Amino acid sequence: DIVMTQSPDSLAVSLGERATINCKSSQNVLYSSNNKNYLAWYQQKPGQPPKLLIYWASTRESGVSDRFSGSGSGTDFTLTISSLQAEDVAVYYCHQYYTTPRSFGQGTKLEIK
Amino acid sequence: EVQLVESGGGLVQPGGSLKLSCAASGFPFSGSTMHWVRQASGKGLEWVGRIRIKASSYATVYAASMKGRFTISRDDSRNTAYLQMNSLKTEDTAVYYCTCGSGSDQGAAFDIWGQGTMVTVSS
Repeated sequence: DIVMTQSPDSLAVSLGERATINCKSSQNVLYSSNNKNYLAWYQQKPGQPPKLLIYWASTRESGVSDRFSGSGSGTDFTLTISSLQAEDVAVYYCHQYYTTPRSFGQGTKLEIK
Repeated sequence: EVQLVESGGGLVQPGGSLKLSCAASGFPFSGSTMHWVRQASGKGLEWVGRIRIKASSYATVYAASMKGRFTISRDDSRNTAYLQMNSLKTEDTAVYYCTCGSGSDQGAAFDIWGQGTMVTVSS
């Protein structure tokens, strides 16, 4: 099974500053036949279901602010929020959809400093 | 409107059973592999299992901790997926979400989520 590990567990960033969340998979999630990383990022606010932000490691979901970007390949990935806004306070999860069982990172709680 | 609506949650005693439903609308349900994901209070997301589409023989896979106790099924004529939970334990207490990559059989991120239904296992 693929284990997803995020760092840090929590993060406090000042408004307007950059936030960076890392995700490491225990196995490669890059499918060589199509050169795609089967890695997604979700945002979850209290009392709400998760919301898809990024898929294929770096493709922004329709309607998602361009302040959110994803990068990385293979086993190491990063979610970056370029200029933190108050509405970005949430828990962020990475998720591998390369194989079953699907797996999520433990989550990173993002707060305002 | 694209949506998933879960129902059927509630309070059940340890060892009991419960069947959750997930009604879909606004996207090609019959062409979408359906997943269940749960989240205990204050905890992270835990994948429960999935059921593929008819062309993939409605194949199911479950997380190890739920295998043998949980069963996922679907009725494409009703655009509904189900999660039958038996031999429930207190540690199964969580919000249960259905989710999918709309129109995708496999290899897709979850772009549609329901609002979730709460299951509480307690005596």
